[in-house]
Amino acid sequence: NAGVMQNPRHLVRRRGQEARLRCSPMKGHSHVYWYRQLPEEGLKFMVYLQKENIIDESGMPKERFSAEFPKEGPSILRIQQVVRGDSAAYFCASSLQLAGHQETQYFGPGTRLLVL
Amino acid sequence: GENVGLHLPTLSVQEGDNSIINCAYSNSASDYFIWYKQESGKGPQFIIDIRSNMDKRQGQRVTVLLNKTVKHLSLQIAATQPGDSAVYFCAENIGSSASKIIFGSGTRLSIRP
Repeated sequence: NAGVMQNPRHLVRRRGQEARLRCSPMKGHSHVYWYRQLPEEGLKFMVYLQKENIIDESGMPKERFSAEFPKEGPSILRIQQVVRGDSAAYFCASSLQLAGHQETQYFGPGTRLLVL
Repeated sequence: GENVGLHLPTLSVQEGDNSIINCAYSNSASDYFIWYKQESGKGPQFIIDIRSNMDKRQGQRVTVLLNKTVKHLSLQIAATQPGDSAVYFCAENIGSSASKIIFGSGTRLSIRP
């Protein structure tokens, strides 16, 4: 019973490059959430997606960041033209999300992005 | 040991003692609360949750208390063990859809042998 999978676990990029972070939700979960965590801080919500739809992207920076959750395959968080301030741990979570219910979000191990 | 609010980011507890981690939330509309445990280099791990129509919920060695009057949440860990060392986050959700969880800043729990 695999949990939420994220890869890569560590990613090093130079300023100006692109970063692609992947997340496979738990089996049976169709709702995915991305969070960012700076050292010694709590997680900050970025975006909530269902299959092929972005439901809430209120936490996403307006530029350079995008997310998708295609019908087939993992969810992707994409950061274009990375800057040093993008260095952080990025966590993905998934849930069952039955309509009208609050379902627990289960987190993956995270991707640690370092921008040189 | 007891941590009052989130002003003390570190809580040190003797092994075997009970730990109490406190959390204050600000939004009176929050109706679902979760405690997560995060060990170094790992993602947050769900511990226990509570809905706003309850004031207490118990799990294995853990109890969550919710006081909506003063917007306060606490996590009690009985007989604290070395494996309990981690950062603990309270989190809140507003509304019927868990689309966004708001995390607190966390409390680091360290265990003295």
